[in-house]
Amino acid sequence: DAGVIQSPRHEVTEMGQEVTLRCKPISGHNSLFWYRQTMMRGLELLIYFNNNVPIDDSGMPEDRFSAKMPNASFSTLKIQPSEPRDSAVYFCASSRRYRDLGSPLHFGNGTRLTVT
Amino acid sequence: RKEVEQDPGPFNVPEGATVAFNCTYSNSASQSFFWYRQDCRKEPKLLMSVYSSGNEDGRFTAQLNRASQYISLLIRDSKLSDSATYLCVVILSGGYQKVTFGTGTKLQVIP
Repeated sequence: DAGVIQSPRHEVTEMGQEVTLRCKPISGHNSLFWYRQTMMRGLELLIYFNNNVPIDDSGMPEDRFSAKMPNASFSTLKIQPSEPRDSAVYFCASSRRYRDLGSPLHFGNGTRLTVT
Repeated sequence: RKEVEQDPGPFNVPEGATVAFNCTYSNSASQSFFWYRQDCRKEPKLLMSVYSSGNEDGRFTAQLNRASQYISLLIRDSKLSDSATYLCVVILSGGYQKVTFGTGTKLQVIP
């Protein structure tokens, strides 16, 4: 079975440019999470969707960050304009909630973003 | 108090040793618990779920202590390949699923 698919694997861009990260969750999963990981701050939840609806975006750093989930099989995380402090690994994860029970998250390989 | 706390380590242990990690959580209403493993520059991967009755998977044993609000992971007969960071995850379910990761415990198994 295909896992969570993220693209691109690596992104190097200059400050001020727009960056779009993409994620395809596991088929049948109804929850999707975007995380950011750095050495200093560890794994941070940016936003969480359930059934394509954003449930918690309190972790989104600022207005430069936006995320969408137009359908059950695709999500994007956009940074505009990008800044050097956005450099991190961005992970997408999905899970299948059932009857309000917590189920494990399955992570994609991540996108390593470098903003110069 | 942090919602989920782990000793960051590193834990340096010789091959063949037994090592245990704990993870404490603050919300007594938390319902689901997991251990993840993360290798350097890789994504976190599910290692095992943690059940109230305790569960075992080969050399790995996970336990939940609801009274004291902690979960544990025991690794027996450590292998070099066990070297990684181990993250605990606590989930509070309901209308809104709140997933909280610990900061991870680094394990280094030494030849």
